[in-house]
Amino acid sequence: GNSVTQMEGPVTLSEEAFLTINCTYTATGYPSLFWYVQYPGEGLQLLLKATKADDKGSNKGFEATYRKETTSFHLEKGSVQVSDSAVYFCALVIQGAQKLVFGQGTRLTINP
Amino acid sequence: ETGVTQSPTHLIKTRGQQVTLRCSSQSGHNTVSWYQQALGQGPQFIFQYYREEENGRGNFPPRFSGLQFPNYSSELNVNALELDDSALYLCASSRDYAGTGELFFGEGSRLTVL
Repeated sequence: GNSVTQMEGPVTLSEEAFLTINCTYTATGYPSLFWYVQYPGEGLQLLLKATKADDKGSNKGFEATYRKETTSFHLEKGSVQVSDSAVYFCALVIQGAQKLVFGQGTRLTINP
Repeated sequence: ETGVTQSPTHLIKTRGQQVTLRCSSQSGHNTVSWYQQALGQGPQFIFQYYREEENGRGNFPPRFSGLQFPNYSSELNVNALELDDSALYLCASSRDYAGTGELFFGEGSRLTVL
């Protein structure tokens, strides 16, 4: 079946630190990959996506590269801010299917 | 552009009761999906509606049912509530049903079953 495994949280960093949140997937077919973010008191928002191998998604200083050989889509940011504190979800969708398959989420807290 | 809105935001029910959750999709979106997010877990797909028809369902029993209306708003109904149904229920809308994965989520309805 299709599944997503994320780095266990919570993750606590200081402002301006480098961030990596690991994500690996198992999929039948050719998935598109996503990172969604859930800020406190808000709904899930699409942060970035990649639709094929070696694509790099980027937004708001975050990046993730679709690595087919390692079935991974790790989220990175060079210098985090307090406002990046949120829960981050890695997800996949199989082309033509209706549902997003989410990882369990990683809670990130950035201290000033 | 109006975003996805859900109601109620919080509710408490007792085991065996029935609940209806409501969702207004984003303007211009014809597809609505519902997800269940248990505490500390990622969202799990319940079902999707496209032009008033269910066109995809996750691993949820038939007591989870839904409707989509001509204005593309939607309801999620859960009968015979169980304790494990306690969760955040998320509605998401999109412009298509073809699985691009780009969904717009509401803030959710938090259901507590006692």
